[in-house]
Amino acid sequence: EAGVTQFPSHSVIEKGQTVTLRCDPISGHDNLYWYRRVMGKEIKFLLHFVKESKQDESGMPNNRFLAERTGGTYSTLKVQPAELEDSGVYFCASSPLGGGGGYTFGSGTRLTVV
Amino acid sequence: GESVGLHLPTLSVQEGDNSIINCAYSNSASDYFIWYKQESGKGPQFIIDIRSNMDKRQGQRVTVLLNKTVKHLSLQIAATQPGDSAVYFCADLPGGSYIPTFGRGTSLIVHP
Repeated sequence: EAGVTQFPSHSVIEKGQTVTLRCDPISGHDNLYWYRRVMGKEIKFLLHFVKESKQDESGMPNNRFLAERTGGTYSTLKVQPAELEDSGVYFCASSPLGGGGGYTFGSGTRLTVV
Repeated sequence: GESVGLHLPTLSVQEGDNSIINCAYSNSASDYFIWYKQESGKGPQFIIDIRSNMDKRQGQRVTVLLNKTVKHLSLQIAATQPGDSAVYFCADLPGGSYIPTFGRGTSLIVHP
């Protein structure tokens, strides 16, 4: 089966610009998560979707970040306007409904804001 | 807030040695723990997991030990190989949560 796919793999944008990251979860996985890792630090939770609904968005840094999951399939994470501190690697993960493990991560999008 | 942390940011070992990576967690409600391996340019990959009703679980060349009394878990890698070089993360989930909480990670460097 295909894994979790993230696009783009790398993005370099200027401060103030907008960037949209995309995540395609494993087909059939209702849980979708966004995480971010800033260099040398922990992988921090951003938000959790169950199907198309935001279950928990307590990790979203501020209102410059907007996540959507159209039709409960792929998800996008938009940063507008981007700031320097938004740089990092953004990971997406998915898991089947019911939890209990089975979390699969994508390769991440490395975002650099200059 | 409560978080998962690691004792050592970097661990260097010789090929063939055994490696032990430690992790402390603070959430007493955590009942499921996962170790991940992240290689450069890739996302975290599942290595092994353990539930709180166990104190040891073994996989292929890896063993996870859980000490709930002191909220500590460790990952033991036997006969470490250069391909084991990566950043290792532990993650925990409180009961009823579907959201793994990660720590900072330990960079394992294996010298040939």
